[in-house]
Amino acid sequence: SQKIEQNSEALNIQEGKTATLTCNYTNYSPAYLQWYRQDPGRGPVFLLLIRENEKEKRKERLKVTFDTTLKQSLFHITASQPADSATYLCALAVSNTGKLIFGQGTTLQVKP
Amino acid sequence: DAEITQSPRHKITETGRQVTLACHQTWNHNNMFWYRQDLGHGLRLIHYSYGVQDTNKGEVSDGYSVSRSNTEDLPLTLESAASSQTSVYFCASSESSGLSGTDTQYFGPGTRLTVL
Repeated sequence: SQKIEQNSEALNIQEGKTATLTCNYTNYSPAYLQWYRQDPGRGPVFLLLIRENEKEKRKERLKVTFDTTLKQSLFHITASQPADSATYLCALAVSNTGKLIFGQGTTLQVKP
Repeated sequence: DAEITQSPRHKITETGRQVTLACHQTWNHNNMFWYRQDLGHGLRLIHYSYGVQDTNKGEVSDGYSVSRSNTEDLPLTLESAASSQTSVYFCASSESSGLSGTDTQYFGPGTRLTVL
C-alpha cells in the first residue's frame, strides 16, 4: 500500500532562516502532491499543490519541489517568522479518487 | 462565507454508547471525508462520500458508519464506542473536479472525542 513519511521530529530554527521539511513516499507514483498547515486545535489548511511535471512551485515565501525519481517533496519557508510555527502535512493524491493520503506531519518551531 | 462546521467540538462518552458526530458544509461540495487524527498516525481516512446516497469505506472504517442524505451533511456514527476510538475527528470536503488529484480539501475545526 502507499506510504508517506515525514520527519516526526520537530524542527527548530531561528527567525529569518530557511526551514526545509521533507516528505518521502513509497509504493506509489502520485500525479499530485499537496501541502497543508495545521495549527494546534484546528483543522489543516491547504497551502500548495504541485504536479508531477512541475519541478518547483512557489507562493510568496513558500517553495515546494517534487522529485519523482527520488520519490520526495521538499517544502521550504524562506525568511521564517515565529508565525510560521505550526505542523506541516504533506499529502499524496490517489489517482481518480479525490482521496488524499497524509503524512504524519512535521512540527516547525521558529524562535525569535 | 462558505464554511464547514463540526459539532460537538468536545464529547465525552462511555464505552458501548452510540455517538454521532455532525459535519455540515456550505461549500456545496460533492465530496466529503471523515478522518481521525492520533499521535504517531497522522490523519487516517474513515469514510468518504462522493455525493448524496453514496458512501465508501476508508482505511479505518471498522466500528464507524456514515450516511449522506443531502449535499451539506455527512454525520459520523460510532455504533458502540470503544476506548480505542478516543481521538480527534476531522471532517473535510472538496469540490469534485473529475476526482483528480487537484481537489484540495477544506477541513472543519475538529471534534475531540473521549471514550471512557
